[in-house]
Amino acid sequence: EAQVTQNPRYLITVTGKKLTVTCSQNMNHEYMSWYRQDPGLGLRQIYYSMNVEVTDKGDVPEGYKVSRKEKRNFPLILESPSPNQTSLYFCASSAGLSNQPQHFGDGTRLSIL
Amino acid sequence: AQTVTQSQPEMSVQEAETVTLSCTYDTSESNYYLFWYKQPPSRQMILVIRQEAYKQQNATENRFSVNFQKAAKSFSLKISDSQLGDTAMYFCAFMKHKGGSEKLVFGKGTKLTVNP
Repeated sequence: EAQVTQNPRYLITVTGKKLTVTCSQNMNHEYMSWYRQDPGLGLRQIYYSMNVEVTDKGDVPEGYKVSRKEKRNFPLILESPSPNQTSLYFCASSAGLSNQPQHFGDGTRLSIL
Repeated sequence: AQTVTQSQPEMSVQEAETVTLSCTYDTSESNYYLFWYKQPPSRQMILVIRQEAYKQQNATENRFSVNFQKAAKSFSLKISDSQLGDTAMYFCAFMKHKGGSEKLVFGKGTKLTVNP
């Protein structure tokens, strides 16, 4: 089954404690990205990757890091989380062709206390 | 930069009736894609319908159809014969046609409630 898998689904942690949200896709997609969803703001892109070792900033990259060492994985790293990063996070992947839809993971709810 | 505006934060409709969700966008691009995504309480992002800007014919997927007005930069979603399972947040989204960032620009969403 084609899917994008995010882990964890939920996480409550404290300010400053490094955390990683993993994202893995099994569709051999070249393009992957991270979005955050906040009430009243919709979804906003954090980072994206067009292929292995190729990443770039989206609209709200501050406080986040990513890496793309393998095609299937695209982890989101919060080196020093802060309360304003409390949000719902989505990973998405696509074949990199604009006429193909993006597949979304089920979301990760992060709470930073 | 592209922007997407959904002017209706919340809407409600009776089961079996028809409802239309509004979306306008701003872009200088001539070729692009528009999407409607549904987010039920389970939080999944589900693609409802997609429209390619260079196609004049409005997209249709079963009970879901769009009214795409390119000159007016309007992309509304019509849901016919509304069902309780249509209760969800609906997001309108824009994407440039050319390859590259593949970034989806989302509106702020419309919360739709279908009442029995």
